[in-house]
Amino acid sequence: DTGVSQDPRHKITKRGQNVTFRCDPISEHNRLYWYRQTLGQGPEFLTYFQNEAQLEKSRLLSDRFSAERPKGSFSTLEIQRTEQGDSAMYLCASSQVSGYNEQFFGPGTRLTVL
Amino acid sequence: GESVGLHLPTLSVQEGDNSIINCAYSNSASDYFIWYKQESGKGPQFIIDIRSNMDKRQGQRVTVLLNKTVKHLSLQIAATQPGDSAVYFCAENKGAQKLVFGQGTRLTINP
Repeated sequence: DTGVSQDPRHKITKRGQNVTFRCDPISEHNRLYWYRQTLGQGPEFLTYFQNEAQLEKSRLLSDRFSAERPKGSFSTLEIQRTEQGDSAMYLCASSQVSGYNEQFFGPGTRLTVL
Repeated sequence: GESVGLHLPTLSVQEGDNSIINCAYSNSASDYFIWYKQESGKGPQFIIDIRSNMDKRQGQRVTVLLNKTVKHLSLQIAATQPGDSAVYFCAENKGAQKLVFGQGTRLTINP
């Protein structure tokens, strides 16, 4: 257990529905990241926050995706009008703002879109 | 283009033997690399990291080697145990913040 928690662990939804995932980082970590991982592939970067500011977004993050970190602690990732291609593991990681970027990952939320 | 990749998708070793997992990267400006272990249904677990000003770093039963001349790094696991069975990823820290992961190598430990 790295100290990063994610909820829910599994989500099954029908195409067209909206879903929201939550990530709670390690408490003293200022940076929080979202990645997406499909079967047999490595995680792909989606976006990251430093405190409450969203500083970078990948082109993978279409306009149906939105992430927030309102108080600089937990973060949510919402997917609107889900598509079958959104089925993946969504991983959250956190790190400190110092030195090199050792990121600690949570267990992930596995999304299945039917 | 920039990429971090692995030479082999699968590797099988006998329990107790040493294993070596390889990774090639293409961005000579990369300055930090991390190896992660991922077990089925879990998130990636940090194993060991290395900065570009080093060519070797050792941890408990693991050693990472970095060869900047050929842009190659490897993960050596000594005396493998059944619990080492997992997918191993190398990741490159691209200056600012995001990690770029390779495709992964599945390590299987045979009894």
